Amino acid sequence: DGGITQSPKYLFRKEGQNVTLSCEQNLNHDAMYWYRQDPGQGLRLIYYSQIVNDFQKGDIAEGYSVSREKKESFPLTVTSAQKNPTAFYLCASSPGQGANGYTFGSGTRLTVV
Amino acid sequence: AQSVTQLGSHVSVSEGALVLLRCNYSSSVPPYLFWYVQYPNQGLQLLLKYTTGATLVKGINGFEAEFKKSETSFHLTKPSAHMSDAAEYFCAVRGTGGGADGLTFGKGTHLIIQP
Repeated sequence: DGGITQSPKYLFRKEGQNVTLSCEQNLNHDAMYWYRQDPGQGLRLIYYSQIVNDFQKGDIAEGYSVSREKKESFPLTVTSAQKNPTAFYLCASSPGQGANGYTFGSGTRLTVV
Repeated sequence: AQSVTQLGSHVSVSEGALVLLRCNYSSSVPPYLFWYVQYPNQGLQLLLKYTTGATLVKGINGFEAEFKKSETSFHLTKPSAHMSDAAEYFCAVRGTGGGADGLTFGKGTHLIIQP
């Protein structure tokens, strides 16, 4: 079955470390997105990519980086510059514009220890 | 720019009672509208969507929503709540024009079901 896979499900990071969250989709979707979710704050867009080798900053891109070298993959790196990285991270994909919604992964919970 | 407002960050209903989750949007033209559900520590799952045509849309798990252009609303309802409906619900809007419009999400409503 087609879908979008995020790994790992839980991730622990020491302060000052960079960590990379994986997002892979086999839906042949052009667009991919990363969101951060904190209690009571809904979904906040970090980065998005509409095509391979191109990506755009979202509303809260500071302290994060991404790459889109393959259509299927959109990894997110949480750098040491992100001051408060503990959160639930969601990856999503979409065929593109129009009446299409997003397909979401099951999320990665990142905790700084 | 589009925006979505979900009235009530928390809604509590008794099991078997009507569920009503409110969503209003701001858009210059009628957009595409979506409702998603999120269970704890999971991703979002599409409940239903409105694109064109019939304004009453039926989704999964017995939910439905009605698009009312005059009220710029897309409220989510279910006639009889079940304990398994306890979750976070998100309303979202997407522009119908060209360009790079993605989904704009509301802040979510946490649905609590009382036994």
